[in-house]
Amino acid sequence: DTGVSQDPRHKITKRGQNVTFRCDPISEHNRLYWYRQTLGQGPEFLTYFQNEAQLEKSRLLSDRFSAERPKGSFSTLEIQRTEQGDSAMYLCASSLGSGHFTGELFFGEGSRLTVL
Amino acid sequence: AQTVTQSQPEMSVQEAETVTLSCTYDTSESDYYLFWYKQPPSRQMILVIRQEAYKQQNATENRFSVNFQKAAKSFSLKISDSQLGDAAMYFCAYSRMDSNYQLIWGAGTKLIIKP
Repeated sequence: DTGVSQDPRHKITKRGQNVTFRCDPISEHNRLYWYRQTLGQGPEFLTYFQNEAQLEKSRLLSDRFSAERPKGSFSTLEIQRTEQGDSAMYLCASSLGSGHFTGELFFGEGSRLTVL
Repeated sequence: AQTVTQSQPEMSVQEAETVTLSCTYDTSESDYYLFWYKQPPSRQMILVIRQEAYKQQNATENRFSVNFQKAAKSFSLKISDSQLGDAAMYFCAYSRMDSNYQLIWGAGTKLIIKP
């Protein structure tokens, strides 16, 4: 078990371009979360999957953002028509659970996006 | 709405000394979890310690312990015998016990360890 992995670790793009981030959770974890973190702030929730179903989406997730988790394995987060305000660290986390949320999340190292 | 406040943007401590990081929160719920997460530079966030609100006993994990004051809505983290590897951002977080996904995070405290 190598933990949660995210790719790429860093992405620099020009405004208006599309970017995609990938997250591979811990293999037996059925829950997967995406967060956004800006400098000096705590993570902000973006979306949550239980297996392949996307169960919650934050208001922060505008129509330019889309996330998928096909077959309940890895997940992708795509940002279309990037804006400078999208510059942030995008964190993926996973957890194992069938009942109540325990709050114990296993995070990846994040994907840092810089939009020029 | 629930909120989490960390009033110390930065703290420093001498190696081997003890430091306490502060956290306050606001909620109308009676059952919830509180957490301290650690984010080292360029490393992933990891859970340090968790407290269930219905438990009166303060959680401890080796050198890490909390002072949970439910009435005051205060949840501080004490790190004893500070080590260089403790240098990190520390985030306090809250979750309703009936939530399936939602953690409410504070803004973090940067902990500096002086050798």
